[in-house]
Parts: sequence; C-alpha cells; structure tokens
Amino acid sequence: EAGVAQSPRYKIIEKRQSVAFWCNPISGHATLYWYQQILGQGPKLLIQFQNNGVVDDSQLPKDRFSAERLKGVDSTLKIQPAKLEDSAVYLCASSLEAFGSPLHFGNGTRLTVT
Amino acid sequence: DQQVKQNSPSLSVQEGRISILNCDYTNSMFDYFLWYKKYPAEGPTFLISISSIKDKNEDGRFTVFLNKSAKHLSLHIVPSQPGDSAVYFCAAKKESNTGKLIFGQGTTLQVKP
Repeated sequence: EAGVAQSPRYKIIEKRQSVAFWCNPISGHATLYWYQQILGQGPKLLIQFQNNGVVDDSQLPKDRFSAERLKGVDSTLKIQPAKLEDSAVYLCASSLEAFGSPLHFGNGTRLTVT
Repeated sequence: DQQVKQNSPSLSVQEGRISILNCDYTNSMFDYFLWYKKYPAEGPTFLISISSIKDKNEDGRFTVFLNKSAKHLSLHIVPSQPGDSAVYFCAAKKESNTGKLIFGQGTTLQVKP
C-alpha cells in the first residue's frame, strides 16, 4: 500500500511569511495527525482529525497555525505569520482508527524560518 | 512537563551484541506504549508496542519490557545489526484518550560492524 505522502519536503521562508504543508494519508485511514518535531526533541501533536472533524487541537498555536481536512482525506497545515521558533520538521501521520492502531508517518516537511 | 523521558541521547554497541534502550514515564494513566524507529530524512516507523496489562512483548529480535511500578520500559534488540542504527523514540498514550501519543526525546543508536 502507498504510504503517507507529504509535500513539500523542504521549505525555507523568512519570519512573518506564510507557509502551507500538504498531506495525503493512507487510503482508508480515518484518523490524521499533524506533529511538530523540533531538532533534538520528540514529535509533538499539533492537531488530530477523525474523518474531517477535529478531535484534539489543544497544542495548536491557533493565533498562527491552522489546519483543515477537506472531505476527510487530504489535509493542509498553514502557518501565518511564521516565527523563528517554528523551524522544525512537520510530520503527518494517519491510522486506521483512533484507538488501537499504530500511526503511519510520512517523511515530513523540514521548515526553516530565517 | 516531559511526561516521557529518554535520558540517554545516544548509545553505541557492537554488531551481534545486545542493545538496550530505556524510557521512563511520569503519567500513571498511560496504558499503552510504543517504540518507533526513525532513519534520517524519513518519518518514524512503528516497531513494537505493549499494553499495560503485559510486562513483555516479543517480535523477532525486538523485545519490549514494561515495569509499571517503576514507570519504566526498555527495548532490547538481540542481536544488533548495523541496519538497526537509527533514532528510537519511545511513546505512550492513554488508550481511551483519542490515541494521542506522547513521545520521548529519542535515543540515537549506532551499531558498529
């Protein structure tokens, strides 16, 4: 089966600019996650979707980050405006169900904010 | 508040020997634990998991041990192979809580030929 697809792989922007990341989960996976991984740290959940509804966005900085999952399939994560501390790898993951099934991660988008 | 901690940033072992990666957690509500492996420029891949009702789970060369009283789990790789060289993340969750995973900081394992 095809894995989780993410684009772009790399992005360099200046602070205060905006950026968007795209994710296509594994076919049939109802649950989709966006994680932020800062260098030297483990991934941190930003937002979780079940189909096209938000399940958990408690750690999403809502003043600058937004995410949507149209039609319960693809998802986009946007940052506007970006800050230096947003430099990280943004990982998308999907799972068959919210409970009891492992997450499958994409290769991530490495964002550098200068 | 670091609920899942991997206190060893790196580990180096000789090929064929045992690798032991450790993980501690603070939240007693966690009831499911997972290990992920990550190669450079790739996303983490699921390796092995264990439920809190067990104290051991084995899958080929990989075994995870859980000590609930100590809030500690470990991943044993026997025998270690050069292809096992990667970053290993421990993760935990409350199974009833939407599947949200809390990750440790990761341990970089180097297996020398």
